[in-house]
Amino acid sequence: KNQVEQSPQSLIILEGKNCTLQCNYTVSPFSNLRWYKQDTGRGPVSLTIMTFSENTKSNGRYTATLDADTKQSSLHITASQLSDSASYICVVSSGYGNNRLAFGKGNQVVVIP
Amino acid sequence: DADVTQTPRNRITKTGKRIMLECSQTKGHDRMYWYRQDPGLGLRLIYYSFDVKDINKGEISDGYSVSRQAQAKFSLSLESAIPNQTALYFCATSEPGQAETQYFGPGTRLLVL
Repeated sequence: KNQVEQSPQSLIILEGKNCTLQCNYTVSPFSNLRWYKQDTGRGPVSLTIMTFSENTKSNGRYTATLDADTKQSSLHITASQLSDSASYICVVSSGYGNNRLAFGKGNQVVVIP
Repeated sequence: DADVTQTPRNRITKTGKRIMLECSQTKGHDRMYWYRQDPGLGLRLIYYSFDVKDINKGEISDGYSVSRQAQAKFSLSLESAIPNQTALYFCATSEPGQAETQYFGPGTRLLVL
């Protein structure tokens, strides 16, 4: 069964500090990996999408990495802000079309002043 | 994303009642999806539609039905609601492509008593 595991489940960080979220997957075949940000009470919003040939992708202070050999991805948040408090969801696609997506449970990040 | 709207945003209903959740989009996308999100679980696909005449079951379609009335509208129905259908429901849209981004609505919080 295709699975996506994220760690840590939750973390609290001080404003201005960096943090890294992890995503391990067993999805096969692999098409692409996405990171979404979900603010409380809102729908997920796409941060990055990486295909097999890409090993890093940035979106402002967010940088995602992908190691397709070890089936691992990370999302690094630089100089965290209070607005970064959210759930970050790793999603892996096993083929063409969004009907073949495996969703992680999310990393809950709380940034405190 | 304001281009994808869901109504109602919150709903309380009783066991056995029929309820319809509606989704509208102004993005002009052909593909639409319904997901549910439960605490501690990842998003799970209920139904999806790749165009007006196309309806497909997702991972957890039992107890649900859908209607694609037009390109812009995709409705989810619970014919006879039960308490374990209490969840956060999201509609999403996308356009076909290798790494097609999904755009999510704001969600409908449903409580079945």
